[in-house]
Amino acid sequence: GAVVSQHPSWVICKSGTSVKIECRSLDFQATTMFWYRQFPKQSLMLMATSNEGSKATYEQGVEKDKFLINHASLTLSTLTVTSAHPEDSSFYICSAFLYLAGITDTQYFGPGTRLTVL
Amino acid sequence: EDQVTQSPEALRLQEGESSSLNCSYTVSGLRGLFWYRQDPGKGPEFLFTLYSAGEEKEKERLKATLTKKESFLHITAPKPEDSATYLCAVQSMEYGNKLVFGAGTILRVKS
Repeated sequence: GAVVSQHPSWVICKSGTSVKIECRSLDFQATTMFWYRQFPKQSLMLMATSNEGSKATYEQGVEKDKFLINHASLTLSTLTVTSAHPEDSSFYICSAFLYLAGITDTQYFGPGTRLTVL
Repeated sequence: EDQVTQSPEALRLQEGESSSLNCSYTVSGLRGLFWYRQDPGKGPEFLFTLYSAGEEKEKERLKATLTKKESFLHITAPKPEDSATYLCAVQSMEYGNKLVFGAGTILRVKS
C-alpha cells in the first residue's frame, strides 16, 4: 500500500520550453502533496506544498511563476516548469501525505523525475 | 528553526558488521521522526516513524530508536543490499506536515 507514482521518470527538453510532471497517489487519497528538488549528492529541498482545491504554498526563494503547481484531485498533483533553462535541470520528487488518525501521518514518495534542459 | 544533523556522512561496513547511524535533531515540539532509505536515482522509501522518546521499531535487520535529542538506526549483520543513503527527517508542531531532512548517511556494505 501507499504507492506514489510520477510521470515521466525522465525528460529532456530544449531551453525555453515548459515541462509538466505528474504525481499520483495510486491507492490512497492525499489532500496534501509536496514537491521537492534534489541536487547531486545533496538532500531533498522542499519547493512547495500542494493542497487539493487550493493554491500551493511555496518555500522561500522558489519562483511561483516558474514552478506552477496544480492539485486538481485527491490523487493527482502536477508541477509545470515553465520556460525551462539549464539551471532548472535537477531531480524532482513528489510525496503524498497519508493521514489516518492514530495510525499514520507519513509522506510517501514517488520515484522521482530527472529533468535535463539543453 | 528545526534542524537535523546526521552522522557519519558515509559509512563503509563489511557484510555482517553491525553498526549504527545517528540523527540529532532540534525542533520546537516533535510530531514525528522519520527514517527513509534512498537508492541512487530513486525516491526515498519509507522505513519508520517514531513519535516519542523511548519508542523503538524494527524491520528485518533495521531497528530505530528515539530519545529526546536523537535517533539511532541500528543495522544488524548488514548485507550488500542494505547499501543506500539513509535519510532522517523530523516533523514539528510549528511546521505541521512538512518534513525537515538531514543530509543523509551513505552506507556501503561490502561482501
